Amino acid sequence: DAGVIQSPRHEVTEMGQEVTLRCKPISGHDYLFWYRQTMMRGLELLIYFNNNVPIDDSGMPEDRFSAKMPNASFSTLKIQPSEPRDSAVYFCASRGSLAGQDTQYFGPGTRLTVL
Amino acid sequence: GQQVMQIPQYQHVQEGEDFTTYCNSSTTLSNIQWYKQRPGGHPVFLIQLVKSGEVKKQKRLTFQFGEAKKNSSLHITATQTTDVGTYFCADNTNAGKSTFGDGTTLTVKP
Repeated sequence: DAGVIQSPRHEVTEMGQEVTLRCKPISGHDYLFWYRQTMMRGLELLIYFNNNVPIDDSGMPEDRFSAKMPNASFSTLKIQPSEPRDSAVYFCASRGSLAGQDTQYFGPGTRLTVL
Repeated sequence: GQQVMQIPQYQHVQEGEDFTTYCNSSTTLSNIQWYKQRPGGHPVFLIQLVKSGEVKKQKRLTFQFGEAKKNSSLHITATQTTDVGTYFCADNTNAGKSTFGDGTTLTVKP
């Protein structure tokens, strides 16, 4: 298995532009998580899905952020419009739901820079 | 909501010295996980503790879950430069999601 796949790995954009981050979870995992990591705030959970349904989006900072999971193998996190304070590393993670599948597997992350 | 506090935030040690990071919660945890993130990398699962008083070892790493299941620790014996990174504990008490501590960043002087 290739693990959790994220794209792009790096994104540099200008303030006001739309940014879309992509994630492919591990096959068979039915939980998907989006995290943001910064020096100031550490690792923050933004939103998570179970069976493609958003369960908790209380960590989404503002209406500028939205996330979708149209099917079990794909999710997007969109920021529109982007702002410099959105600069961070965004991680996607997935896990299973069977007993013993509590481990979250993180993708390599997308390093976002908003100028 | 549920929070786990980690201390210290940073730890600098000389290679060969021991290192310990602590994770504390005000409420009882159902289980706790530990992750390691190398500089520039992503968090990688190390271990999960479930039982009260549980102790698990992975080579030079010793993980402990408190008797009251409100705290946990990770101890590294004789640190090596390969141990550098940030160590996170994560609370899995809430069904589905994990709540991560702020992490302890370890640097090791060769």
